[in-house]
Amino acid sequence: DAGITQSPRYKITETGRQVTLMCHQTWSHSYMFWYRQDLGHGLRLIYYSAAADITDKGEVPDGYVVSRSKTENFPLTLESATRSQTSVYFCASRDYRVGEKLFFGSGTQLSVL
Amino acid sequence: KNQVEQSPQSLIILEGKNCTLQCNYTVSPFSNLRWYKQDTGRGPVSLTIMTFSENTKSNGRYTATLDADTKQSSLHITASQLSDSASYICVVSEGSGNQFYFGTGTSLTVIP
Repeated sequence: DAGITQSPRYKITETGRQVTLMCHQTWSHSYMFWYRQDLGHGLRLIYYSAAADITDKGEVPDGYVVSRSKTENFPLTLESATRSQTSVYFCASRDYRVGEKLFFGSGTQLSVL
Repeated sequence: KNQVEQSPQSLIILEGKNCTLQCNYTVSPFSNLRWYKQDTGRGPVSLTIMTFSENTKSNGRYTATLDADTKQSSLHITASQLSDSASYICVVSEGSGNQFYFGTGTSLTVIP
């Protein structure tokens, strides 16, 4: 969807390097999420944010750090990348009202060598 | 444990044929259930939403059903098109609607 963009689209890095994945949304949605998608698993929640300066862990937060200083941005940082973090990462956002759907970005395909 | 299971894992059908995808869940308390379509290399896009009181909802050639008693949902695709080739993901929201549980998806391939 045009309102939520992720960058980069593809990233190759080496183990131990720090990597930051960017996510930007233009709807002023309250909630933003980071998921990873791996074969054989459904989308798994890494971190989410209910508003600026409010973040919380999801199902698989280890090795990741997030921040949300502005409503529209929600970067995800891998502080020291490991091969197990090779995955496709999706950012999503939604309005605060209960039942509202998630809007997903196009994903970042990350390979850690 | 809150879980969402989908079947079949993959499906190949001829263009113009119908198909039905299944979703069973154990999420409780239930808030709503959505079906998402994910094209290759893209993020998922919502197709339909079902709340507790709804049995059927249509979106063009897509019809979703929900049986809240048996905790089952299905997505029926009518007169399939090549563009229907995608992964279809069932997502169930819990309670307040802020916790989402994702199925692993059904990969649908429509062939001419």
